[in-house]
Amino acid sequence: EPEVTQTPSHQVTQMGQEVILRCVPISNHLYFYWYRQILGQKVEFLVSFYNNEISEKSEIFDDQFSVERPDGSNFTLKIRSTKLEDSAMYFCASRVGGGLNTEAFFGQGTRLTVV
Amino acid sequence: KNEVEQSPQNLTAQEGEFITINCSYSVGISALHWLQQHPGGGIVSLFMLSSGKKKHGRLIATINIQEKHSSLHITASHPRDSAVYICAVIEAGNQFYFGTGTSLTVIP
Repeated sequence: EPEVTQTPSHQVTQMGQEVILRCVPISNHLYFYWYRQILGQKVEFLVSFYNNEISEKSEIFDDQFSVERPDGSNFTLKIRSTKLEDSAMYFCASRVGGGLNTEAFFGQGTRLTVV
Repeated sequence: KNEVEQSPQNLTAQEGEFITINCSYSVGISALHWLQQHPGGGIVSLFMLSSGKKKHGRLIATINIQEKHSSLHITASHPRDSAVYICAVIEAGNQFYFGTGTSLTVIP
């Protein structure tokens, strides 16, 4: 069964460093998402991406965040200057389309720890 | 403002019990997902619904679009069903909204 894969599974970084979280969506999918879950809190939407541009983003997704689809397979989330409060699980998802009855498939997440 | 409300937040059941988790939402949606999250954090999609009812094994999910309400039912619950269950809606504008999750513990 096709799946969304995320790497690394766990990343530890120093505060102020840049991190790039990687996702490989399912190959024929066109809609891509990032969201995060701070420990003990609910999952929060970050951004959706379609046709090589951001289609929706939340208030959390400020200037320190960026997303990119650098080639035909990867979908990345960059955090420019990490803060302690960026520590969370980051999940990627993809969908084949944006309409009714198009299921989202979720990656297993990257646990980011900022120290 | 919570676009998605789930209840209950925590649920403890005896093995074999019938379980219901509820989700109400306030936005217009293109789809609703029921997700399962085990300790360790990975998320699995159980169902995607835009209308009616779906069944996979002991799991049943229903949605009432007019009432903006969905339910997840687990029949003959088992300790391995213990997890956090999350309702997530994909708004018509393509943004995800997540419920706070229901933490289910099934006791043998």
